[in-house]
Parts: sequence; structure tokens; C-alpha cells
Amino acid sequence: AQSVTQLDSHVSVSEGTPVLLRCNYSSSYSPSLFWYVQHPNKGLQLLLKYTSAATLVKGINGFEAEFKKSETSFHLTKPSAHMSDAAEYFCVVTGSGGRRALTFGSGTRLQVQP
Amino acid sequence: GAGVSQSPSNKVTEKGKDVELRCDPISGHTALYWYRQSLGQGLEFLIYFQGNSAPDKSGLPSDRFSAERTGGSVSTLTIQRTQQEDSAVYLCASSPGTGGGQPQHFGDGTRLSIL
Repeated sequence: AQSVTQLDSHVSVSEGTPVLLRCNYSSSYSPSLFWYVQHPNKGLQLLLKYTSAATLVKGINGFEAEFKKSETSFHLTKPSAHMSDAAEYFCVVTGSGGRRALTFGSGTRLQVQP
Repeated sequence: GAGVSQSPSNKVTEKGKDVELRCDPISGHTALYWYRQSLGQGLEFLIYFQGNSAPDKSGLPSDRFSAERTGGSVSTLTIQRTQQEDSAVYLCASSPGTGGGQPQHFGDGTRLSIL
């Protein structure tokens, strides 16, 4: 079985400062990991994915994440927050077996202060 | 190109009524998933379709929930005799296949409110 733990339910940063959203995973096999973002009343948009290639993954809108197997972590970072980054962020791991349904973390709500 | 389309975007109905939620996946995507997003429960998997294979229904919470996918494209999620705890956002996603690196593309969801 696999699971994902997002360590912070809420993160607040000032515009222009770095963003760090933390995620730890548990999996009995080599996982595929994703970060999705959800803006209010919208579906989920893929930010980036890790699939056992490079451990540092670059995504859209300046976000990136580093896969650290020794720490079972996949933290999401951005050097400089923008007001438009305010949203809910989900760390996600794929399931095992044929269906590959996603297992979601509980989400981190990012607030960006002017 | 067109993304995953869900309808209706909002649905309000009385307890005990049946509801149907529709999902139009991205053209050519063989895998289709339904998820439910509710307060306190987060995002949970409901059901999965892949090509012509039998669907994986292991996430359906009760026998009041069912889904079908016609012609390998459009899917309908049906909830019979709705209960207040069915109130949630129902999200549909599709992907080109089921390889581990295949990201899922989500629709904007249907917000279901049971009075």
C-alpha cells in the first residue's frame, strides 16, 4: 500500500519570498509522484511529476520538487511566490497494480500575502 | 485542445432522489477515473475504467453508486437514493494509459449538494 503525508495544512508567505510545501510518502515499490494545484472551484492541474528519471523535477509556473529516496520526501519549492500561486496543493502518489489510481495527500493551502 | 468536461457543474437535489453526473474525457484517453472530494475526507478514488476491461469498482462507497462508460468514451456516475453525506465535489480524470508516469487530467468537477 502507498500513502502520502503533507506536513502542513496551511502555509502563508509574503509575495516575493520562497515557498516550501512539504510531502513525505510511503510506498513498497518505486513510486511515481506528482504535485497538483487546485484553484477555487476548479479541477486539479498538474504542476510536475517524478517518474524515476532526474530527481530534481521542474514544473510549470516556476515550481520544482526534489525526490529524496533516503528521506522518502518530495517537497515542492518555488524561489519567489506570486499572488496567483494562492491555491490548494496536493502531493500525490500512484497506486500499485493495473489501475494506477492516485492516492492524495490531505492538501496544503498556500496563502500569499501582499 | 479540449480538456476533460464535466456536467453539470453544480447540482442541488433533495435527499432520496437519483442523480447522474457526466464526464467527457479527453479524446483518445483510454483510462477514466472518478474521485470524490469532500470536507474531512479529502480526495478519494471511486471507480476506474480502462479500455474494454471490467471496471475497478473497489472505491465505490455503497451499492447506491454505479458508473458506466459507453463506447470507451463518455462516462456517467449515478447515485441512487441520495443521502446528505453524498454532498461533495465529484471529479473525473482521464489519462492516455495506465503507465506509472502517465499524469491524469482532471475536469472542473460537479458540486453536488443534497438538501
